[in-house]
Amino acid sequence: EVQLVESGGGLNQPGGSLRLSCAASGFTVSSNYMSWVRQAPGKGLNWVSVIYSGNNTFYAESVKGRFTISRDNSNNTVYLQMNSLRVEDTAVYYCVRVHRYDAYFDYWGQGTLVTVSS
Amino acid sequence: DIQMTQSPSSLSASVGDRVTITCRASQSISSYLNWYQQKPGKAPKLLIFAASSLQSGVPSRFRGSGSGTDFTLTISSLQPADFATYYCQQSHSAPYSFGQGTKLEIK
Repeated sequence: EVQLVESGGGLNQPGGSLRLSCAASGFTVSSNYMSWVRQAPGKGLNWVSVIYSGNNTFYAESVKGRFTISRDNSNNTVYLQMNSLRVEDTAVYYCVRVHRYDAYFDYWGQGTLVTVSS
Repeated sequence: DIQMTQSPSSLSASVGDRVTITCRASQSISSYLNWYQQKPGKAPKLLIFAASSLQSGVPSRFRGSGSGTDFTLTISSLQPADFATYYCQQSHSAPYSFGQGTKLEIK
């Protein structure tokens, strides 16, 4: 059974850093594309970042240069390093598996809440 | 970047009704269009991928259609479990943008 379990969310101050983790089971992250999607309170879904099988990455303009997606194949885990946090980064962050060919998001984690506030 | 526009943003309907949600892309995305359902406090769930393919386990009352820039999600006979928010998403190219969502409420 495919499962994605996020962790690492919490309260942080503007300008701070946080690392989110996404532990995968039921498949290997090394052979899949993985992504992060976020949802601000009461708002819609916003795509954040993707890591492809060759470790190529892509970011939304709003987080480029501040966030870094990576994976640890030995731990079957995907990470999102979030630096220079802003109030507008406050959201639930979902880890998602991306279908390799059609790039749809077929499995989602339960989400982890990141709150940026002074 | 590709912009996705959904309409309507909200919709009231009754159990048994047929409803249609539309999604328009700012440029052609072929059939790289997906639909998700989200209930309050839960992660989104994939309903339809590649414009018209039903994800495993999703009831057949959900149907997707379209190609190019214009797409629709139709629910043929609304059930109580269908009242939720629906999002379209393009997977043609990163950044993988979503529509703003359609909240389906009980009339």
